[in-house]
Amino acid sequence: QKEVEQNSGPLSVPEGAIASLNCTYSDRGSQSFFWYRQYSGKSPELIMFIYSNGDKEDGRFTAQLNKASQYVSLLIRDSQPSDSATYLCAADPSGGGADGLTFGKGTHLIIQP
Amino acid sequence: NAGVMQNPRHLVRRRGQEARLRCSPMKGHSHVYWYRQLPEEGLKFMVYLQKENIIDESGMPKERFSAEFPKEGPSILRIQQVVRGDSAAYFCASSRLKEEKLFFGSGTQLSVL
Repeated sequence: QKEVEQNSGPLSVPEGAIASLNCTYSDRGSQSFFWYRQYSGKSPELIMFIYSNGDKEDGRFTAQLNKASQYVSLLIRDSQPSDSATYLCAADPSGGGADGLTFGKGTHLIIQP
Repeated sequence: NAGVMQNPRHLVRRRGQEARLRCSPMKGHSHVYWYRQLPEEGLKFMVYLQKENIIDESGMPKERFSAEFPKEGPSILRIQQVVRGDSAAYFCASSRLKEEKLFFGSGTQLSVL
């Protein structure tokens, strides 16, 4: 069973601080990893993707991937109240299969003003 | 440049009725995925289609559920003889290439009375 695990939270972070969201995956063959943000009652919105080990930065967001540890993280610098949402981690399945992305259940992030 | 279009936004059905959910992918996208999301749950993959072909339906219940993506027109997710347990948000996503970044529609919230 290929799984993506996330701490459901809620994770509470003061405004202006760094929010750190973590994700582990079971399928060692996964190559691509995605972070989606989902506001309550809305659809998931892609914010970051990463394929290579190391860090990838985009504005206030940094995705980190460690394939040896099967670990993906998302850092949000200078957190804003508008960052309050559920963050979904997703991994592509390996093995040449045609499955869609495997999603974690998401981490609920609350930025306290 | 319209995104992924889903309709209806909300659908109410009584037990035993049929539900039809529609999805038009983004322009230039030929890969369509359907996901189901229950409250406090992550996105669960249901089915992956390309034009006129079901590529992978491993996440879809064997009975009552079917999907199609005809040569002309939107992709349709069809649920026959709905039961209360079918109540969920159903999201459609599309991508330009297989398992590339997925872009989600606004979803259809199905409520079964």
